[in-house]
Amino acid sequence: KAGVTQTPRYLIKTRGQQVTLSCSPISGHRSVSWYQQTPGQGLQFLFEYFSETQRNKGNFPGRFSGRQFSNSRSEMNVSTLELGDSALYLCASSLDSGRGSLGYTFGSGTRLTVV
Amino acid sequence: GQQLNQSPQSMFIQEGEDVSMNCTSSSIFNTWLWYKQDPGEGPVLLIALYKAGELTSNGRLTAQFGITRKDSFLNISASIPSDVGIYFCAGLPPNFGNEKLTFGTGTRLTIIP
Repeated sequence: KAGVTQTPRYLIKTRGQQVTLSCSPISGHRSVSWYQQTPGQGLQFLFEYFSETQRNKGNFPGRFSGRQFSNSRSEMNVSTLELGDSALYLCASSLDSGRGSLGYTFGSGTRLTVV
Repeated sequence: GQQLNQSPQSMFIQEGEDVSMNCTSSSIFNTWLWYKQDPGEGPVLLIALYKAGELTSNGRLTAQFGITRKDSFLNISASIPSDVGIYFCAGLPPNFGNEKLTFGTGTRLTIIP
């Protein structure tokens, strides 16, 4: 079966712009989680969506938002981009939420560069 | 957000050597996971541990769930070139409800030719 698909793979934006990243989970998976990965901070949890509802949220400013559609595909949006938002954004899907995250499968990520 | 302390941060070894890395936390976890991330890819699950004291192997990889529930160890025996990458530990806390994984800071493994 197809894995977790993230698009685009690479993105370059300028400060102040906004960006939308997309994640298509494994077929049948209903939970989608987003992580930000930077060299200095490692993997930081952004949020988790399950059945179109945000189930969990990390400590990120309100400029970071997301949503999940009825087909479980998810998007995350970052508004008013800052240089510090440059990172690899990873999406992970699993069958269920909570302990179902043990079945996490990660996508290859979207590399966002803010200039 | 909370992070697990992982050490060492980086390792430079020769092919064939054994590797050891560990992960510690100030709080207890119910589950420990070990992931490997290749360049340009997302992390891939290597081993999952569910019980304090548990020792689990996956080929040349062996991981242990510390008896205090605050640490975990990963060993790689007889390293090969494809072992290069970043290894992350991750823990799941004993909270009921919407738990989420907390990741370690990563150990970058490099094999010197």
